[in-house]
Formats: sequence, C-alpha cells, structure tokens
Amino acid sequence: AQSVTQLDSQVPVFEEAPVELRCNYSSSVSVYLFWYVQYPNQGLQLLLKYLSGSTLVKGINGFEAEFNKSQTSFHLRKPSVHISDTAEYFCAVSGGSNYKLTFGKGTLLTVNP
Amino acid sequence: KAGVTQTPRYLIKTRGQQVTLSCSPISGHRSVSWYQQTPGQGLQFLFEYFSETQRNKGNFPGRFSGRQFSNSRSEMNVSTLELGDSALYLCASSSGTVSSGNTIYFGEGSWLTVV
Repeated sequence: AQSVTQLDSQVPVFEEAPVELRCNYSSSVSVYLFWYVQYPNQGLQLLLKYLSGSTLVKGINGFEAEFNKSQTSFHLRKPSVHISDTAEYFCAVSGGSNYKLTFGKGTLLTVNP
Repeated sequence: KAGVTQTPRYLIKTRGQQVTLSCSPISGHRSVSWYQQTPGQGLQFLFEYFSETQRNKGNFPGRFSGRQFSNSRSEMNVSTLELGDSALYLCASSSGTVSSGNTIYFGEGSWLTVV
C-alpha cells in the first residue's frame, strides 16, 4: 500500500520569504506524485505533478518540486511567497495498482505581512 | 472548458435523513471519483465510476452509494445520515485511470452538515 507523510501540519512564513513544504511517500512500485492546493472554502487545484523524466518539476504560481527517489521525497518550494499563497497544500501519490490518489494530511501555509 | 461542477454547495440535513449530491465532470472525462474530506480523517476515497460502472470503492459503509449516468454525470447518496457524515464531499473527474498517472480535477465540493 502507498502512503504519504507531510512532515509539517503548519508552516508560518513572512511575505517574500522562501518556503519549503515537505512530503515523503512510501511505495513498493513506481509512483506518480502530485501537489494540490486548497484555498478556503474551495476544492483542490493541481499545482504540479511528477510522472517521469526530469526530477525538478515546475508548476503554477511559481511553485516547483523535486522528486528524490532515494529519499522517497517530493518537497514543494517557492523562492518568494505572497499573502495570496496562504492555503492548505496536499501531497498525493498514485501508481501501480493504486486506483485512487492517496493524500497526505496537508500542510497549512500561512503567509504573514 | 468548464470545470467540475458540484451541486449543491452547502446543505444542512438532520440525522436519519438521506442526501443526494450531484457532479458534472469536465466535458470528455469518463471517470468520476468521490472523496470525503474531514478535519480528522483528511481526504478519503469513496468510490470511482467509469462508463456507468463502479470500478473501485473505498472503505465506507453501505450507506454511501453512487451512480453514473450515460452522460458521465454522477450522483452520490448517503442514507441514514449520522453526525459523523458532516464533511466536504469532493467530486473529481479524469480522462483516464489514476493508476496510470492521469490527473484528476476536483470540483469545489459540497459542504454537508448533519445536525
């Protein structure tokens, strides 16, 4: 079975600071990895995904993530955050016989002025 | 292209009642899946439909059911509502299987409160 661990439940940062949201996964087969963002009272929006190839994936809104197979990680980064980035971020995994997305518990990113 | 549309957005029901939630997938998407989101359990998979057939089911009691119509629209039903069913119910659609790396696109969800 696949699983996802998001190591931080909350990450407070100041505006224009860099941020890293950590995600580790567990899987016995090749995986596909996703980051979704959820703004208050909204559904989930895809930020970026890793399917294969280059381990550095660029997404929307200036976010990027790096797939590290040896460390089974897929951390999300942004060099300079804005107030509008305040939201909950979910890491998810699929692949192999996993017919569904398996999500982490989420990381609440709060950007303060 | 219109996104995934869910109705209603908000509803309040009484314990013991039943509820039906509706989902219209992105045009051309034949796979529709449902997830339940709660503060305690996070995002949990309910079921997935493809071409009117339930392909996969999560670990939920039989009170949770769904169906898909020939136009790919889907409904989910919860009977004999319990307080613990209060949650955000998210519908998602995809052009192919999640296990092959296809992206699933989510709607804005239906907020269900059971009182």
